[in-house]
Amino acid sequence: AQSVTQLGSHVSVSEGALVLLRCNYSSSVPPYLFWYVQYPNQGLQLLLKYTSAATLVKGINGFEAEFKKSETSFHLTKPSAHMSDAAEYFCAVTSNFGNEKLTFGTGTRLTIIP
Amino acid sequence: NAGVTQTPKFRILKIGQSMTLQCTQDMNHNYMYWYRQDPGMGLKLIYYSVGAGITDKGEVPNGYNVSRSTTEDFPLRLELAAPSQTSVYFCASSGPGQGANQPQHFGDGTRLSIL
Repeated sequence: AQSVTQLGSHVSVSEGALVLLRCNYSSSVPPYLFWYVQYPNQGLQLLLKYTSAATLVKGINGFEAEFKKSETSFHLTKPSAHMSDAAEYFCAVTSNFGNEKLTFGTGTRLTIIP
Repeated sequence: NAGVTQTPKFRILKIGQSMTLQCTQDMNHNYMYWYRQDPGMGLKLIYYSVGAGITDKGEVPNGYNVSRSTTEDFPLRLELAAPSQTSVYFCASSGPGQGANQPQHFGDGTRLSIL
């Protein structure tokens, strides 16, 4: 069984400040991890993915995430927030052991304060 | 490149009515999925398909049916609409081929209200 916990359903940061969105996972086998972003009235778009190569993963729009096995975490960061980053962010987990279905977290809504 | 296309974008149904949510993809992806998204709940998998002619239940399949007669299309059927099915529905696809590291591509969703 696998699961994802996203701490903080709402996060607010000032424009130019660090963005940190937290994701912890549970998986009985080595995981594949994803971050998706959802803008209002749109579907989800892939930000980045971890598939057992480099533990620090760079994605689109200046976002990156670090896989930490010891902490079972995959937190998303961006050094300097931009107004266009306001959206909902979802962390998701799957594995390559016969179960290719994604399990999503409940999402974190990011608000950028001008 | 259209990607994943869902129709309709919005729909209001009366209790007990039926409807089909359409989903088509032009990326030749093997895998297709239907999710529902409710506020504060993330996405829950309803049904998925690993290829034409093959479908399987996800986490919340009750009240829904699917079919996959072609690689491109994966319609979702609601037979007897209930207020609990008010939600935003997303179709997604991944591929080509197999591999859990393949990202899923999402449509823009269908917003469905049951009154």
